[in-house]
Amino acid sequence: GNSVTQMEGPVTLSEEAFLTINCTYTATGYPSLFWYVQYPGEGLQLLLKATKADDKGSNKGFEATYRKETTSFHLEKGSVQVSDSAVYFCALARSTNAGKSTFGDGTTLTVKP
Amino acid sequence: GAVVSQHPSWVICKSGTSVKIECRSLDFQATTMFWYRQFPKQSLMLMATSNEGSKATYEQGVEKDKFLINHASLTLSTLTVTSAHPEDSSFYICSATKGGGAAYEQYFGPGTRLTVT
Repeated sequence: GNSVTQMEGPVTLSEEAFLTINCTYTATGYPSLFWYVQYPGEGLQLLLKATKADDKGSNKGFEATYRKETTSFHLEKGSVQVSDSAVYFCALARSTNAGKSTFGDGTTLTVKP
Repeated sequence: GAVVSQHPSWVICKSGTSVKIECRSLDFQATTMFWYRQFPKQSLMLMATSNEGSKATYEQGVEKDKFLINHASLTLSTLTVTSAHPEDSSFYICSATKGGGAAYEQYFGPGTRLTVT
């Protein structure tokens, strides 16, 4: 079956530090890959996505590249801000499964000023 | 945009009563809606998949008779927690997909905090 493994947290960084949150997946075929972000007390929102190998998703300074050879979709940001403090979820979805997604366990990021 | 709302945002109920949570897609028609339960350590547990006009598909271990899901239209799905008990206290989140295309990203509601006393 499908699975997503992401880096355990929590992750604590100082403002302007470089961020990497690792995500690897197991799936048959060619899934779409996503990063969702959840701010405190809120639901999840889509941060970025990639639908095929070598695609790079980007949004709000965050980037992730779909690497089929390593089955990875690591999230990166060059300079984090306090406002980036949230929980980040890596996920995959396959069109043959009507969009049902498989989520990682989430990684909590805290950015300190 | 793709906005999903949930109502109520929080609810407190007494043990043994039932609670209904609504999930609406405000500006699109949702071919599929999903219901999740989120535990304190943030992991997201899929409870069921809901398609308009058909019975929901429940994940293994989720009690169908306890968590009743009705997908009445392409913009509304409801989750009713029947005979709630304190162990049902949790954060319930719905999401919706537009369908079609290759991406199938999900659009999430803001969640409903249920506390059963």
